[in-house]
Amino acid sequence: GAGVSQSPSNKVTEKGKDVELRCDPISGHTALYWYRQSLGQGLEFLIYFQGNSAPDKSGLPSDRFSAERTGGSVSTLTIQRTQQEDSAVYLCASSFRANTEAFFGQGTRLTVV
Amino acid sequence: GNSVTQMEGPVTLSEEAFLTINCTYTATGYPSLFWYVQYPGEGLQLLLKATKADDKGSNKGFEATYRKETTSFHLEKGSVQVSDSAVYFCALSVTPTNFNKFYFGSGTKLNVKP
Repeated sequence: GAGVSQSPSNKVTEKGKDVELRCDPISGHTALYWYRQSLGQGLEFLIYFQGNSAPDKSGLPSDRFSAERTGGSVSTLTIQRTQQEDSAVYLCASSFRANTEAFFGQGTRLTVV
Repeated sequence: GNSVTQMEGPVTLSEEAFLTINCTYTATGYPSLFWYVQYPGEGLQLLLKATKADDKGSNKGFEATYRKETTSFHLEKGSVQVSDSAVYFCALSVTPTNFNKFYFGSGTKLNVKP
């Protein structure tokens, strides 16, 4: 597609439920990033995929968070047993190669009630 | 390590005022530097970038110069408009590295009053 696509755009879930957030990067981009932006806060790095290399998971806040990238394209971020503090906007970005700008999706606003 | 520090906001200016948003960085390797902007209700978009020392990035009247000696990349605009109200993020990525992870500052909210 023309840009990074994320779905759903909004998600309301009950505490304790699992959620899956999807990111469809720009075609041909080898790098894919997930960030979290809490209300009024900056960007918190979660995970980074680069080609076939092992992902950099150093930003995942707990073992309830996981992500995968299938076929070097679409990525899914899964949050298990959601907590209220997981409420945030989850942003996905992709870039063509190392050291080039990242293009961001519109984000998924997750609300845990 | 790699990190970005930018001035805290919010910054409130009157229309046509001069804008500076400070950004300093620490980096291992040779960073590229970026400014991203997030308008209300929208995603982040690249505003400008500089890939080596002394480069000046510019776009939409905004400028930033990559200063290696002061490890800074301050964002400036000579005359702001109400439509510039947004959150601005300074960022870096480092090469050589296998991982092109972006390091973002905490963001600076700009409010421009008519």
